[in-house]
Amino acid sequence: DTAVSQTPKYLVTQMGNDKSIKCEQNLGHDTMYWYKQDSKKFLKIMFSYNNKELIINETVPNRFSPKSPDKAHLNLHINSLELGDSAVYFCASSQGGREWETQYFGPGTRLLVL
Amino acid sequence: RKEVEQDPGPFNVPEGATVAFNCTYSNSASQSFFWYRQDCRKEPKLLMSVYSSGNEDGRFTAQLNRASQYISLLIRDSKLSDSATYLCVVNIYSGGGADGLTFGKGTHLIIQP
Repeated sequence: DTAVSQTPKYLVTQMGNDKSIKCEQNLGHDTMYWYKQDSKKFLKIMFSYNNKELIINETVPNRFSPKSPDKAHLNLHINSLELGDSAVYFCASSQGGREWETQYFGPGTRLLVL
Repeated sequence: RKEVEQDPGPFNVPEGATVAFNCTYSNSASQSFFWYRQDCRKEPKLLMSVYSSGNEDGRFTAQLNRASQYISLLIRDSKLSDSATYLCVVNIYSGGGADGLTFGKGTHLIIQP
């Protein structure tokens, strides 16, 4: 069974559209994250959720909104997509957000905005 | 100054050789340290944590120098399967939980037969 899964794997869309990426973890973890890896392969934290509460919100445009219906899911909704949003988006989870915990990553969603 | 800096490489190394990577981090509040591995078009996966006392896992040895804010990874007897990007990662733990990891840009390693 896949520990952290994301859908879709690939997403090609036009500028200005609204899209969502879904993430699910079956590890029983309390904390989930969204990361963005840009064309230069730089991986950066976007959001994290602990028990359905947003803990970190880095300087991400408010067009991006994370939504967590329950502890096992953290979806990412993006409004008014821009060319610069093209990247790979990784979901991750960890047990409780403590400092030495391993974070487990999903396979990534490759978003291309045309 | 970038928070976590690494030499992006690529490092081209013959099979069986020993290779070492380094990284430096700028935030002295960083509290936990890791090396993650990322294969091409795949997700990052934890390779090993890096403790102050250093740690070894088979052919891999990681060391931390908090005074110099410097982390290293040594790979001995390199295998073709070691070819990947190695990401230096720090965690600035705030105590409130749910801290994200801060990644370096990665060092690309190519093991040549």
